[in-house]
Amino acid sequence: GQNIDQPTEMTATEGAIVQINCTYQTSGFNGLFWYQQHAGEAPTFLSYNVLDGLEEKGRFSSFLSRSKGYSYLLLKELQMKDSASYLCAVRDRDYKLSFGAGTTVTVRA
Amino acid sequence: EAEVAQSPRYKITEKSQAVAFWCDPISGHATLYWYRQILGQGPELLVQFQDESVVDDSQLPKDRFSAERLKGVDSTLKIQPAELGDSAMYLCASAPVWDSNSPLHFGNGTRLTVT
Repeated sequence: GQNIDQPTEMTATEGAIVQINCTYQTSGFNGLFWYQQHAGEAPTFLSYNVLDGLEEKGRFSSFLSRSKGYSYLLLKELQMKDSASYLCAVRDRDYKLSFGAGTTVTVRA
Repeated sequence: EAEVAQSPRYKITEKSQAVAFWCDPISGHATLYWYRQILGQGPELLVQFQDESVVDDSQLPKDRFSAERLKGVDSTLKIQPAELGDSAMYLCASAPVWDSNSPLHFGNGTRLTVT
């Protein structure tokens, strides 16, 4: 099965930077996704990594190291609306997508 | 932007009753997923369809849960009988194909409360 670990909670100040780490152990690897989920809403796609390195998309960046089974999501210039749960999800050799438990980020003024 | 439609948005039922959820994926998406998300946890895959065929239902509690996608478009997930532990958000997602880098697109979910 899959084992995906990420911190439970993080708190940061508006305008600051927060890095959410994700470590994984899967049977094969076919990509890593980050999703944002506001309370009571559906997860929405943020980023995708399949090769090592950094993918940047506006205020959000995601990094992947396949050899280390490690990824992080970087949120810059935090805004109050960024308060949400951030889910790390990994596709295994059979393209099955498994999710971590999510990291709840609270942005404070 | 096209969306995945789910209904109902909320459902309250008593234990031992039957309950059903409906999902209409984005048009043209061949792959459809049902996930269950317990509060404070990540989504857990229940069943995956490719067109009308089940690709993976290894985590579906088949003694009480069933899922179908008869014409390869919309899908229904049923629970009978419902148990207290089934209280969760049931999320439907779709993707163009299952073996690509396409992200899953999620519907807004059905929040089930079993009393």
